[in-house]
Amino acid sequence: ELKVEQNPLFLSMQEGKNYTIYCNYSTTSDRLYWYRQDPGKSLESLFVLLSNGAVKQEGRLMASLDTKARLSTLHITAAVHDLSATYFCAVEGDDKIIFGKGTRLHILP
Amino acid sequence: GAGVSQSPSNKVTEKGKDVELRCDPISGHTALYWYRQSLGQGLEFLIYFQGNSAPDKSGLPSDRFSAERTGGSVSTLTIQRTQQEDSAVYLCASTFRIMTAAYQETQYFGPGTRLLVL
Repeated sequence: ELKVEQNPLFLSMQEGKNYTIYCNYSTTSDRLYWYRQDPGKSLESLFVLLSNGAVKQEGRLMASLDTKARLSTLHITAAVHDLSATYFCAVEGDDKIIFGKGTRLHILP
Repeated sequence: GAGVSQSPSNKVTEKGKDVELRCDPISGHTALYWYRQSLGQGLEFLIYFQGNSAPDKSGLPSDRFSAERTGGSVSTLTIQRTQQEDSAVYLCASTFRIMTAAYQETQYFGPGTRLLVL
């Protein structure tokens, strides 16, 4: 059974600092997704990762995938307040997509 | 606009009634996904369509839930005999997906339908 564990669940950090969100999953998967959700809003797709060693970057966010370790990371560089949101990872396998519980990120000015 | 649209945006219904939720994907998108988000269960995948076909329906929470997609476009999610635990935000997303290729497609989400079952 595919399970996804995301941590931390809550993260409060200062502007300008770096931090990493981790996403572990239990079985082989076809795709790994990262999403952002602002309060009261729908989901926004950030990254789709397919292959081992894949790395994608968009602005201050960088996602990577290690399929051997069954681990993806979302790294935040020099955080700014606008990045405050909830971030979800999700793993696709066997025609299903399983989500992590989300990381609520609060960036303090 | 050319984004994913969902209707209704909000729906309040009485327990036991049937509801139908609609998703209009981005034109040309081959794959369509249904999810729901609730306080108790977080984000759940319900079903996805490639074209008009759904490879796996086991993500639907119960046999009261059904979904269909016609003409490779609009999809409807129907909940029969609604229960209070069906209250959630139902999200739809679409993407252009080529099954035979390792294609890094992006999902585009609709604004959601907020369902409240009284």
